[in-house]
Amino acid sequence: GENVEQHPSTLSVQEGDSAVIKCTYSDSASNYFPWYKQELGKRPQLIIDIRSNVGEKKDQRIAVTLNKTAKHFSLHITETQPEDSAVYFCAANPSGYALNFGKGTSLLVTP
Amino acid sequence: ETGVTQTPRHLVMGMTNKKSLKCEQHLGHNAMYWYKQSAKKPLELMFVYNFKEQTENNSVPSRFSPECPNSSHLFLHLHTLQPEDSALYLCASSPRGSGGNYEQYFGPGTRLTVT
Repeated sequence: GENVEQHPSTLSVQEGDSAVIKCTYSDSASNYFPWYKQELGKRPQLIIDIRSNVGEKKDQRIAVTLNKTAKHFSLHITETQPEDSAVYFCAANPSGYALNFGKGTSLLVTP
Repeated sequence: ETGVTQTPRHLVMGMTNKKSLKCEQHLGHNAMYWYKQSAKKPLELMFVYNFKEQTENNSVPSRFSPECPNSSHLFLHLHTLQPEDSALYLCASSPRGSGGNYEQYFGPGTRLTVT
């Protein structure tokens, strides 16, 4: 089955700096790669996603890049703010029915 | 509350009890999911239902029994649980049948403690 590896597990940056989280996947059939943000005590929520026919997607301060050949995708957050502090999960869809999630990255943005 | 709702929000049960978790989605989606979230495995898929049919059982022990009477409701029946089953149980839904290709909307979760 699909194996999604996510790094780093924790990331601390200063406000205004950029943060990058990386994920790799194993199943070449995967074609959908979402990123979820989970704030403390809250439910995971989609922040951005990318499909396999696109190499990069941007939404204001958030961007995702995909390298299908190397089977890795990354989340980039620019000009980080304290409210970006949360756990971020990447995911990939090996079978089309479900998502396999990475183990999460705990991001801390310090003022 | 709109979107995906879950009840109860907190549950404490003994190892010999039988209880059920309920999930309801008000989004018109056709796929529903149960996830277990713990410190060890942050988002672990348990079950997937598409159009009320179970399409995935991710090697979950039989002490967890799902039920999907219609596309809007999903239950997780619990019996003779173990302390290691203590976790946050999240329900999610997504549009269409191929849920893996679309955004999943999560409920607030049920915090389960097994004593």
